[in-house]
Amino acid sequence: EVQLVESGGGLVQPGGSLRLSCAASGFTFTDYWMIWVRQTPGKGLEWVANIRQDGNENYYLDSVRGRFTISRDNAKTSLYLQMNSLRAEDTAVYYCARPRPYYSLDVWGQGTTVTVSS
Amino acid sequence: QSALTQPPSASGSPGQSVAISCTGTSSDVGAYNYVSWYQHHPGKAPKLMIYEVSKRPSGVPDRFSGSKSGNTASLTVSGLQAEDEADYYCSSYAGSNISPVVFGGGTKLTVL
Repeated sequence: EVQLVESGGGLVQPGGSLRLSCAASGFTFTDYWMIWVRQTPGKGLEWVANIRQDGNENYYLDSVRGRFTISRDNAKTSLYLQMNSLRAEDTAVYYCARPRPYYSLDVWGQGTTVTVSS
Repeated sequence: QSALTQPPSASGSPGQSVAISCTGTSSDVGAYNYVSWYQHHPGKAPKLMIYEVSKRPSGVPDRFSGSKSGNTASLTVSGLQAEDEADYYCSSYAGSNISPVVFGGGTKLTVL
């Protein structure tokens, strides 16, 4: 079964850090770019970051660039999102997803909730 | 504010048809035939329902159809069923891996 399972969310104070993980199974992980998407309260879905198959190319939403780092471990078929200097506006459910060509996302995890609050 | 504009809500009775719009710009929806639609039941993983404007992944009922005209795409759900009640999001390819995809704000579909 093709599956993505996120973990690592939680409650963190402003300025704090969290590391999200996404375990992939059921498909050839190294065949795909991977992506993080978040759903913020009242704002719908938003692309956060994406990473190439070999991990050597990645891109970020302007508001998270310099604070978030996307990475992957192909040996462990896992995707990560290191989030530093967290802000209240980063509060969201974070999903990892697998993009088809032209970024239709055909596999999603169930999401992990990040709450940034004092 | 989301990049693509969707109505916040839509509704219909069982058996009826309902259409949900998704309006973008000439840089996203209007530029590419790469609009997707997702069904999301809260607490579950979003599910791809339509890709490349009108294609259905395997297993998606043909009651779900997609179309596009200019900068506006539409998802039509025909023969509404109770299990269709969910949030629906559209997305569009945005041109490159540097900023690859934009989403709509979502539409809550209620089956009356």
